[in-house]
Amino acid sequence: SQTIHQWPATLVQPVGSPLSLECTVEGTSNPNLYWYRQAAGRGLQLLFYSVGIGQISSEVPQNLSASRPQDRQFILSSKKLLLSDSGFYLCAWSPAHSSTDTQYFGPGTRLTVL
Amino acid sequence: AQKITQTQPGMFVQEKEAVTLDCTYDTSDQSYGLFWYKQPSSGEMIFLIYQGSYDEQNATEGRYSLNFQKARKSANLVISASQLGDSAMYFCAMREGMNSGYSTLTFGKGTMLLVSP
Repeated sequence: SQTIHQWPATLVQPVGSPLSLECTVEGTSNPNLYWYRQAAGRGLQLLFYSVGIGQISSEVPQNLSASRPQDRQFILSSKKLLLSDSGFYLCAWSPAHSSTDTQYFGPGTRLTVL
Repeated sequence: AQKITQTQPGMFVQEKEAVTLDCTYDTSDQSYGLFWYKQPSSGEMIFLIYQGSYDEQNATEGRYSLNFQKARKSANLVISASQLGDSAMYFCAMREGMNSGYSTLTFGKGTMLLVSP
């Protein structure tokens, strides 16, 4: 069966510091991968998605970036965090070429920028 | 205009009763999919149920069913025989079209469901 991991689970960072969040998927090949952000009490906002190694599409211009160095690894980064980057970050995957394209989510990373 | 609208910020239901969570959507695509996810306090988004725009039957998964009314553009989630563990935030989401084997989801703002004993 497929599993998705995210780490760290929680993170407290000062403004202006760098960020690296990691997401890995097991038990599947060539998944579509997604990064979402959820502000407190709000719905999910899609940040990035990837259909293959090195292929990244950005949905929202911001100071965040994403990379996919390996087939089942998706990394969210920032060179300098802003207060507005605080939130709950969720990684998701979906099977490539699925008829429903259901997305399955990881446990999330709670980021607080102070 | 919002693509997914969930008009109920919060809902209360007693244990063992049924509850309906509302969702309306807006799209001009002919091919789309509708999803419901559950988010307990732990934060993980749990997939519950899927309905495709061409599916003629309403989707069901255990105690979850989706009341799909295409003409009204509504996709309400029905939870039968509520349990205390159903207390959570529920999100409706839509996938529009499919591009080369992937698609993106648009989420509503969610409905908080509280189940009381």
